[in-house]
Amino acid sequence: GENVEQHPSTLSVQEGDSAVIKCTYSDSASNYFPWYKQELGKRPQLIIDIRSNVGEKKDQRIAVTLNKTAKHFSLHITETQPEDSAVYFCAARQAGTALIFGKGTTLSVSS
Amino acid sequence: NAGVMQNPRHLVRRRGQEARLRCSPMKGHSHVYWYRQLPEEGLKFMVYLQKENIIDESGMPKERFSAEFPKEGPSILRIQQVVRGDSAAYFCASSHSVAREDGYTFGSGTRLTVV
Repeated sequence: GENVEQHPSTLSVQEGDSAVIKCTYSDSASNYFPWYKQELGKRPQLIIDIRSNVGEKKDQRIAVTLNKTAKHFSLHITETQPEDSAVYFCAARQAGTALIFGKGTTLSVSS
Repeated sequence: NAGVMQNPRHLVRRRGQEARLRCSPMKGHSHVYWYRQLPEEGLKFMVYLQKENIIDESGMPKERFSAEFPKEGPSILRIQQVVRGDSAAYFCASSHSVAREDGYTFGSGTRLTVV
């Protein structure tokens, strides 16, 4: 089955800096890669996703890149703000299966 | 649309009791997924169900845990004879279908504490 590795486990940045979180996956058949943000005590919420026919996707300050050959994908957050502080999860799956999540990255943005 | 509804939000059980966690998917969603989240850990897949069918239960512990999604009513995750190690947040998510690459919508979770 699918296995997703996520790095780093914790990330501290200053407000205004960029943050990058990286994930690798094992199943070359996976074709859908979402990212979720989870604030303390709350539910995970989808913030951006990318499909295997696309190499990059951007939505305001967040972007995701996908390298299918290397089986890795990354989340980029620019101009970080204190409200970006949360746990971020990457995930992967192929059609007909459940999402498999990485173990999460705790992002802390200090002002 | 009320979103994915989970209840109860908090559940306290003594060791050896049964815990029943409920999940009502979003309107129009026919796929339900259960995940367990331990403190400081990620979302661990447990089981994937469609109405009246278990599609993938590869993440379910072999004993004491079961799940169902009946034709009518919510999906139920049942834990028999709970132990302290079962204390965790249990999240349910739903999606429209797996033919489309939809992201999941998560419920608010049930936080189970075993005392």
